[in-house]
Amino acid sequence: GQNIDQPTEMTATEGAIVQINCTYQTSGFNGLFWYQQHAGEAPTFLSYNVLDGLEEKGRFSSFLSRSKGYSYLLLKELQMKDSASYLCAVSGYGNNRLAFGKGNQVVVIP
Amino acid sequence: AAGVIQSPRHLIKEKRETATLKCYPIPRHDTVYWYQQGPGQDPQFLISFYEKMQSDKGSIPDRFSAQQFSDYHSELNMSSLELGDSALYFCASSQQGGWSTEAFFGQGTRLTVV
Repeated sequence: GQNIDQPTEMTATEGAIVQINCTYQTSGFNGLFWYQQHAGEAPTFLSYNVLDGLEEKGRFSSFLSRSKGYSYLLLKELQMKDSASYLCAVSGYGNNRLAFGKGNQVVVIP
Repeated sequence: AAGVIQSPRHLIKEKRETATLKCYPIPRHDTVYWYQQGPGQDPQFLISFYEKMQSDKGSIPDRFSAQQFSDYHSELNMSSLELGDSALYFCASSQQGGWSTEAFFGQGTRLTVV
């Protein structure tokens, strides 16, 4: 099975940097995904990590440590539009599903 | 670019009624996934299809069924609706039958059971 753990909410100032953590336990690992979800909207793909290390994509970076079952998403130069829920999801090897964590709500203030 | 299309966007049903949700994946995507997301909750995996065959099953109630058709669109059929079925239902699609590449979500169907 899969168990995903994420903290729930944080507030940050426009222009700041915020780090969102995710720990997971899974029987088999086929990749970790980060999604952004605005209230009432569909999750939007942000990043995918399958190997250890840092993946950088513009203002967003995602890090993975498979041995520690840990990932983080780094949001730089925060903008008001970044106010959203950030979900990490793990794909287990051999199955065909994504298991989502409960999401971390980020509120960006001026 | 074409995205995942879900219909209807909003649906209101009474208890014990039935509902059918439709999902049209991105062209050439061969895999469809259904998720249920209650208020303030994370998306919960229901079921997935690869090349028109059920490929994985999650926490889908027996009252629900789904299938993928020859044109790759999928339908989620929900019977004997209960108040607790009120949620956002998302469909996602991907290519090559797995999550090794990014998956795209539709805008969701908001089902309200009254």
